[in-house]
Amino acid sequence: SQQGEEDPQALSIQEGENATMNCSYKTSINNLQWYRQNSGRGLVHLILIRSNEREKHSGRLRVTLDTSKKSSSLLITASRAADTASYFCATLMDTGRRALTFGSGTRLQVQP
Amino acid sequence: EPEVTQTPSHQVTQMGQEVILRCVPISNHLYFYWYRQILGQKVEFLVSFYNNEISEKSEIFDDQFSVERPDGSNFTLKIRSTKLEDSAMYFCASRAGGAIMETQYFGPGTRLLVL
Repeated sequence: SQQGEEDPQALSIQEGENATMNCSYKTSINNLQWYRQNSGRGLVHLILIRSNEREKHSGRLRVTLDTSKKSSSLLITASRAADTASYFCATLMDTGRRALTFGSGTRLQVQP
Repeated sequence: EPEVTQTPSHQVTQMGQEVILRCVPISNHLYFYWYRQILGQKVEFLVSFYNNEISEKSEIFDDQFSVERPDGSNFTLKIRSTKLEDSAMYFCASRAGGAIMETQYFGPGTRLLVL
């Protein structure tokens, strides 16, 4: 089964606007992490939220986790052109595989 | 800030050739991983390594793949006889250890193209 599906697949906004990306997953998790990937480049870790947490902030990033709905959201406030990238959620399952399972990502385009 | 490094950044090889992808994890980290991302697709787990042995591997990680930590700093992924479908970006990651919940830090990747 697929674990970690983001929506929307693509999002285009103007600089200064907020961007919200969602991630859904299927199995019980230990934690959920968000990564950013600039085109063709490496994965940059943004934020980790544990299964017993509901919300976390880091700078302009706000992540929520709803384990009852098996979903998470990443909010980027006051977006900048430099935020243009693909954003992936990755889950670490509670049991079984102890490696990250990635979603298919949201491509964010921030227009200057 | 310490980071995971990978070499080479790009590699082009002929089908059937062996390739070795190299990674230097963050120095005090204990758990190491290889993932790959075929162009336009999800990042997929290949293998995890701890205490000088494979701790977990995915169905992708067949007999053509092997990993090694030859000298206490490098962590390598070898593909014995490359296939066209091995073309992908390969990412190394490491984490400190202790709690499983700790962050995995990724390297910049090696883009492998098999012709």
